[in-house]
Amino acid sequence: EPEVTQTPSHQVTQMGQEVILRCVPISNHLYFYWYRQILGQKVEFLVSFYNNEISEKSEIFDDQFSVERPDGSNFTLKIRSTKLEDSAMYFCASRDNYEQYFGPGTRLTVT
Amino acid sequence: GQNIDQPTEMTATEGAIVQINCTYQTSGFNGLFWYQQHAGEAPTFLSYNVLDGLEEKGRFSSFLSRSKGYSYLLLKELQMKDSASYLCVISNSGYALNFGKGTSLLVTP
Repeated sequence: EPEVTQTPSHQVTQMGQEVILRCVPISNHLYFYWYRQILGQKVEFLVSFYNNEISEKSEIFDDQFSVERPDGSNFTLKIRSTKLEDSAMYFCASRDNYEQYFGPGTRLTVT
Repeated sequence: GQNIDQPTEMTATEGAIVQINCTYQTSGFNGLFWYQQHAGEAPTFLSYNVLDGLEEKGRFSSFLSRSKGYSYLLLKELQMKDSASYLCVISNSGYALNFGKGTSLLVTP
């Protein structure tokens, strides 16, 4: 069964550093999403992406964040200058119809 | 804006039936989802309702009343592996998902 994959599974970085989280959506899906979940809190929407551009973003997705689809398979989330409060699990998702399929997540720890 | 309310915790016995309620207020509505999330894992899809009524899928059923801003998830024949967090999720007009805080269900022997 096709699945969304994410790398790395765990990333540790120092405050102020740039990180890139990678996702490979399901191959025939056209809509891509990033969500985050701070430990013990609810899942929060960050951004949606379609046809090589952002279609919607939340208040969390400020100028420190960017997304890119550099080739036909990868979908990346970049955080330019990480803060302690960026520590969270980041989930990528993709959909073709109504159901969003989530990847296993990248746990980002900012020290 | 959106507001999603569901109980924080519930406990039920193996083999029993449990109903998890969700109420919501939203300005844009493109459907209501229920997702299951085990600790440390990604959410997994359980059900989708966009019209009023009951959707049944094996041991799981989900109900929606749009006029009341109300949904429930019904789990039958509970198994120990059903211990997890159950997330009530609203899809807005752009299909971005807005998650509730989740109901932590503990299934006991």
